[in-house]
Amino acid sequence: QQQVKQSPQSLIVQKGGISIINCAYENTAFDYFPWYQQFPGKGPALLIAIRPDVSEKKEGRFTISFNKSAKQFSLHIMDSQPGDSATYFCAATALNTGTASKLTFGTGTRLQVTL
Amino acid sequence: NAGVMQNPRHLVRRRGQEARLRCSPMKGHSHVYWYRQLPEEGLKFMVYLQKENIIDESGMPKERFSAEFPKEGPSILRIQQVVRGDSAAYFCASSPGQGLGYTFGSGTRLTVV
Repeated sequence: QQQVKQSPQSLIVQKGGISIINCAYENTAFDYFPWYQQFPGKGPALLIAIRPDVSEKKEGRFTISFNKSAKQFSLHIMDSQPGDSATYFCAATALNTGTASKLTFGTGTRLQVTL
Repeated sequence: NAGVMQNPRHLVRRRGQEARLRCSPMKGHSHVYWYRQLPEEGLKFMVYLQKENIIDESGMPKERFSAEFPKEGPSILRIQQVVRGDSAAYFCASSPGQGLGYTFGSGTRLTVV
């Protein structure tokens, strides 16, 4: 019940295209869903996050879409650039319970943006 | 603001030795978290600490692993009698409050030979 399932495992997108990464969760107590970007040799960096009271959040070229009834959320990267090539992790936690300390991560998507 | 500082960046230990990983949180952050990342996998929660207190250690292996966050100095993750399966990247994160605004360090890559 604590799992977050992420797909695809890897993704190749042409420059200017849209990258879409999907995640699904089971624990209905989860109420905070961040996305992290990780470059090789670096720690994950918070990219964008959403709470379930909204269905979409946009920050620049990055958009999270959230479907509470389906327990799914996705990251869309518009106008993908070679500099976006990295590994992306979705995560979830329950802020309003005693488990707010821990993030449950997906297994990651390795994105490669080609010229 | 220097961010979350972890050292060493790389650590090689022989089987049976002890590994000590250090984490200095961001200035003003009193919440520290440790995560482990195995190759080609996501991060797995290990332990959550505040100054002088372990709040949640539900992700820590029952044996050989321990963590502390003393009143003064960095947080320490200690792995005794390391085995090859302990080889991984260990990330520390800090936040100003519980669960919010995580900032990760660049990690310590432990290799057990």
